[in-house]
Amino acid sequence: DAGVIQSPRHEVTEMGQEVTLRCKPISGHDYLFWYRQTMMRGLELLIYFNNNVPIDDSGMPEDRFSAKMPNASFSTLKIQPSEPRDSAVYFCASSPPGLGNTIYFGEGSWLTVV
Amino acid sequence: QKEVEQNSGPLSVPEGAIASLNCTYSDRGSQSFFWYRQYSGKSPELIMSIYSNGDKEDGRFTAQLNKASQYVSLLIRDSQPSDSATYLCAEDTGRRALTFGSGTRLQVQP
Repeated sequence: DAGVIQSPRHEVTEMGQEVTLRCKPISGHDYLFWYRQTMMRGLELLIYFNNNVPIDDSGMPEDRFSAKMPNASFSTLKIQPSEPRDSAVYFCASSPPGLGNTIYFGEGSWLTVV
Repeated sequence: QKEVEQNSGPLSVPEGAIASLNCTYSDRGSQSFFWYRQYSGKSPELIMSIYSNGDKEDGRFTAQLNKASQYVSLLIRDSQPSDSATYLCAEDTGRRALTFGSGTRLQVQP
């Protein structure tokens, strides 16, 4: 079975540019999570969805960040405008229905803002 | 204060020894706990989950949970160089999203 698919895998962009990260969750999973990982702050939850509806976006750093999930098989995380401090690995993850289920991570999108 | 605390390490053990990784948490409402392994440059992958007090064994791995003392541990028996990675402890407080610790880096010396 295909896992969580993220694109792009690597992106280098200039400060001020718009960045869009994409995610396809595992089929049948009803939860989708966006995490960010840096050396300083570790793995942080940004936002998560259940059945395409945002449940908690309290981890989104500021208004420059937005996330959407237009359908069960696709989500985007957008940063506009990007700043050097946004440089990190952004992981998308999904989880199947039921209590206490495992979160499965994609391979991550490595973002560098110069 | 971070909700899930781990010693960042590195924890260095010789090949064949038992590696003991520990984690404490602050939310008494946390219902389930997970250990993930992350190799450098890769994504986290699940090793074990544990929901009840006591021990849970899976091959060379044993997870231990003590809710009264609010700690979780992971024991790796017969450690191998391929076990060298960062181990992330995570809790689920019931909202389904996991909160992760900062991870413990394990080095298994051949």
